[in-house]
Amino acid sequence: SAVISQKPSRDICQRGTSLTIQCQVDSQVTMMFWYRQQPGQSLTLIATANQGSEATYESGFVIDKFPISRPNLTFSTLTVSNMSPEDSSIYLCSVAGSNYGYTFGSGTRLTVV
Amino acid sequence: GENVEQHPSTLSVQEGDSAVIKCTYSDSASNYFPWYKQELGKRPQLIIDIRSNVGEKKDQRIAVTLNKTAKHFSLHITETQPEDSAVYFCAASNSGGGADGLTFGKGTHLIIQP
Repeated sequence: SAVISQKPSRDICQRGTSLTIQCQVDSQVTMMFWYRQQPGQSLTLIATANQGSEATYESGFVIDKFPISRPNLTFSTLTVSNMSPEDSSIYLCSVAGSNYGYTFGSGTRLTVV
Repeated sequence: GENVEQHPSTLSVQEGDSAVIKCTYSDSASNYFPWYKQELGKRPQLIIDIRSNVGEKKDQRIAVTLNKTAKHFSLHITETQPEDSAVYFCAASNSGGGADGLTFGKGTHLIIQP
């Protein structure tokens, strides 16, 4: 399966600021996915990032709040903009392959103060 | 969109006994159903998955069954061990090849009592 490097692993940020999370995959993948996991909760899909086109956002998530870049087939970034304490969560990137299912990065634990 | 319901939210079993976690899904187009194990502070790890053209799949102590007609699937863990204690998530997708993301259930906290 693919190996995903995600950074930062954790950060504490001031409200009103932005944080950019990076994911690097060790192989080329068509789609990359970004999820949010609020404390003690399940995972919720934020958006799907396809190289060369604008990301597709799920209901309740908007590009202005969570802009995504996908410059090539091995890399993507998610920015959490104008943060508030409600944005405190774990953010995970994920990729899928036809033979190995969906794999997750190690996650970014974000605390907004 | 897809909606995945998962039960129970907490399951406590004696070591050596079996555990069963059940999920239902709403979108008949869903065709890929993975199960993830998440230990505290770690990423979800895929433990088993099943596609809609298969009714059952087994991997050592873990098995998954799928009933497409009823739109439900279940995780079975036999001979439970302390290291099985974790949160388990079911999920569904209508693209097992990775074109679409996963919709997750709310999770089951499995506790193995020694």
